[in-house]
Amino acid sequence: DAGITQSPRHKVTETGTPVTLRCHQTENHRYMYWYRQDPGHGLRLIHYSYGVKDTDKGEVSDGYSVSRSKTEDFLLTLESATSSQTSVYFCAITSDLAGYNEQFFGPGTRLTVL
Amino acid sequence: SQQGEEDPQALSIQEGENATMNCSYKTSINNLQWYRQNSGRGLVHLILIRSNEREKHSGRLRVTLDTSKKSSSLLITASRAADTASYFCATVSGGSYIPTFGRGTSLIVHP
Repeated sequence: DAGITQSPRHKVTETGTPVTLRCHQTENHRYMYWYRQDPGHGLRLIHYSYGVKDTDKGEVSDGYSVSRSKTEDFLLTLESATSSQTSVYFCAITSDLAGYNEQFFGPGTRLTVL
Repeated sequence: SQQGEEDPQALSIQEGENATMNCSYKTSINNLQWYRQNSGRGLVHLILIRSNEREKHSGRLRVTLDTSKKSSSLLITASRAADTASYFCATVSGGSYIPTFGRGTSLIVHP
């Protein structure tokens, strides 16, 4: 798992509440990503980071924000959760050693918004 | 939007048989990757094939790439029950280094 942990692993929340998911890596990788996975849609990129305080939007960024104040942590925030954000969220990194191609994934966070 | 589309969406075979799944994509690529996802887990990288390569092997995996047809196939030989998983192709195009994933093929291997 390339030293990637995600927390929490499961969360149930109510519509309108803020939610923050955390991705932590122990190997000092520069590039980190947040994806969501939904049936029929595969994996879709939400946001990514190419360094501390350097982030950019992905394909489905509306309703999400991210922050990266330390190399090892990449936070995904749902400012006001909606039922459409019920999904499984995966964090990933690319390894410098793999030439920035191969991605390594965390175990995922299952989020349910009621 | 998905760049790669896997086919079939689902595949059910007996242990010992070969499993073939395909991936088609729309625009020119730098490389194409295959990932496996076991139920409830994150994706695991299996193999990467570059646009100037036609075939690549890794253990029981064989990947082919036909850039003229914009398609790739993943062959798993002598499948095992442990190969039961979803398989995703992902493409990297243009100046990006970020792969774009397809919707996946669900493979079930019956013991």
